[in-house]
Amino acid sequence: GAVVSQHPSRVICKSGTSVKIECRSLDFQATTMFWYRQFPKQSLMLMATSNEGSKATYEQGVEKDKFLINHASLTLSTLTVTSAHPEDSSFYICSARLAGGDTGELFFGEGSRLTVL
Amino acid sequence: AQTVTQSQPEMSVQEAETVTLSCTYDTSESDYYLFWYKQPPSRQMILVIRQEAYKQQNATENRFSVNFQKAAKSFSLKISDSQLGDAAMYFCAYRRTGNQFYFGTGTSLTVIP
Repeated sequence: GAVVSQHPSRVICKSGTSVKIECRSLDFQATTMFWYRQFPKQSLMLMATSNEGSKATYEQGVEKDKFLINHASLTLSTLTVTSAHPEDSSFYICSARLAGGDTGELFFGEGSRLTVL
Repeated sequence: AQTVTQSQPEMSVQEAETVTLSCTYDTSESDYYLFWYKQPPSRQMILVIRQEAYKQQNATENRFSVNFQKAAKSFSLKISDSQLGDAAMYFCAYRRTGNQFYFGTGTSLTVIP
């Protein structure tokens, strides 16, 4: 199956710094990638939909200036948490759909655990 | 609005036994996809099984099968011959063609040796 890789898997940072998380589709092209946030023992909350070459579409309540998303190529999307604070600590997951065809499913990255001190 | 409901926050099953996880959804669409994803302790979401709404036949994947009741908007997952490796969070998901996914709140499955 299609492989999506996220990096880093874990990151610890100081409050006020910015953190970038990368999401790569390794063996397929993804015109659309999705970024989710997951709190402990809870479901996935969609943060934004990232389309290659255009601005991301953010869900209601998600601060676009805080969570910067860039989808510069068909295989890479990045999420930058700017001026991170402890309340931003969470598990962030990216997923992707195949370009040029629609099998219906999403392929997920391994997730990135962010801890803000 | 589309919503997905999983009414069982936690379930347990004896190893080698069968367990059924429930899922209902709300939609006014006729064409959509339904999924069950598994999230083990490693946290990576893994697709378990998929069902296209236009297909009447229930999907099966080895020990995993679904009971898809379109009129009732129900999509349950049956795990047969449960194994220790099946222990995980299971999320039911709905997707309308071309649009985003909606996930349920998850069911934590424990497999008892």
